[in-house]
Amino acid sequence: QVQLQESGPGLVKPSETLSLTCTVSGGSISPNYWSWIRQSPGKGLEWIGYVYFSGSTSYNPSLQSRVTISLLTSKNQLSLRLTSVTASDTAVYYCARGGLAAQFDPWGQGTLVIVSS
Amino acid sequence: QPVLTQPPSASASLGASVTLTCTLSSGYKYYKVDWYQQRPGKGPRFVMRVGPGGYVGSKGDGIPDRFSVLGSGLNRSLIIKNIQEEDESDYHCGADHGSGSDFVVVFGGGTYLTVL
Repeated sequence: QVQLQESGPGLVKPSETLSLTCTVSGGSISPNYWSWIRQSPGKGLEWIGYVYFSGSTSYNPSLQSRVTISLLTSKNQLSLRLTSVTASDTAVYYCARGGLAAQFDPWGQGTLVIVSS
Repeated sequence: QPVLTQPPSASASLGASVTLTCTLSSGYKYYKVDWYQQRPGKGPRFVMRVGPGGYVGSKGDGIPDRFSVLGSGLNRSLIIKNIQEEDESDYHCGADHGSGSDFVVVFGGGTYLTVL
């Protein structure tokens, strides 16, 4: 059974870059879509973007200028980079299998990132 | 892109039934919607997909038969029968739109179900 685990710093300073990794176990990166999704405190879910096993990507237009999602196939991992963060980027960040025309299943447990000086 | 509207809260008594509704904005009546359950402090899990004709595909792992869906007009509903304590959760609906550089996934605001 595929399991996902997010990891990375829990605190990032304003204007810096948020970097997270998602490790996939119990299955292969291919031939799937993999997404990052976030949830601000007390708010709904926001899709950040996906990466396909081929390396192609698609991002939420609202974040596109600041986001990079990539695969580390040899380690069965995907990564998220979000530049120039502000307090509004404070959220629980989830990785999930799914993307184009596919439901998100499964999800990781999520990791809380706080943007603060 | 569609807008998905969910009431912020719902409640139902133990053993009763409840219908949670996700309403698509006008012009998107052929869209499918995915339902996700998020228990307090946990990550979401996929429940099932619903289109204008009803259930699509397969349920998420471990989703009991008490959960079903209904598609009607712009509404995509999740129906839970014989509600149990463990059903108290946030329920989110999501839909994707477009392709290529125009692709986006949107979610509703979520409905928190309280079991009385």
